[in-house]
Amino acid sequence: GQNIDQPTEMTATEGAIVQINCTYQTSGFNGLFWYQQHAGEAPTFLSYNVLDGLEEKGRFSSFLSRSKGYSYLLLKELQMKDSASYLCAVTTSGTYKYIFGTGTRLKVLA
Amino acid sequence: EAQVTQNPRYLITVTGKKLTVTCSQNMNHEYMSWYRQDPGLGLRQIYYSMNVEVTDKGDVPEGYKVSRKEKRNFPLILESPSPNQTSLYFCASSYGTNQPQHFGDGTRLSIL
Repeated sequence: GQNIDQPTEMTATEGAIVQINCTYQTSGFNGLFWYQQHAGEAPTFLSYNVLDGLEEKGRFSSFLSRSKGYSYLLLKELQMKDSASYLCAVTTSGTYKYIFGTGTRLKVLA
Repeated sequence: EAQVTQNPRYLITVTGKKLTVTCSQNMNHEYMSWYRQDPGLGLRQIYYSMNVEVTDKGDVPEGYKVSRKEKRNFPLILESPSPNQTSLYFCASSYGTNQPQHFGDGTRLSIL
């Protein structure tokens, strides 16, 4: 079967660093996306990993280990506006489907 | 402005009354997709389309139909809506499956 696991909820303090983990089990793997979704809004793209390693984009970084079926999103210097849900999604080889995890709701406290 | 436009944004209707949710993109994207989002279940793909006249089922296609007669449009059709199709629906588009998806603002459907 195909499955993506993320923690349901996390809490962190403004200015801190938080790591959101994502593990996946899919029949074939093509790439992994992270999206941010504020309450009541549409998801917006954050990052994409296809090869093992770390991709850095300003305050946000994403890591992928294909052999372990594992990714994380690292958010540095947290700001209040980072309070949102973070969605991990995998695209599978052989099909053109997207599979999303259920998302991690991050609360940033002052 | 590059965008994905869904209509309507909100709809309350009754069981069995056919409805169509339209989706249009102005970015010349080849890949388009429909999702439903339910609490605790996340985003689940209903149907996707790789290009004009090419569509395929996602993970939850039952009760839905789609068509892709033009590149820019990808309507979602509920022939006989039922209460279990009450949900928040998103349309998305991208150049390909390994390109970032652009999402519409969502359509909140309530079926009584």
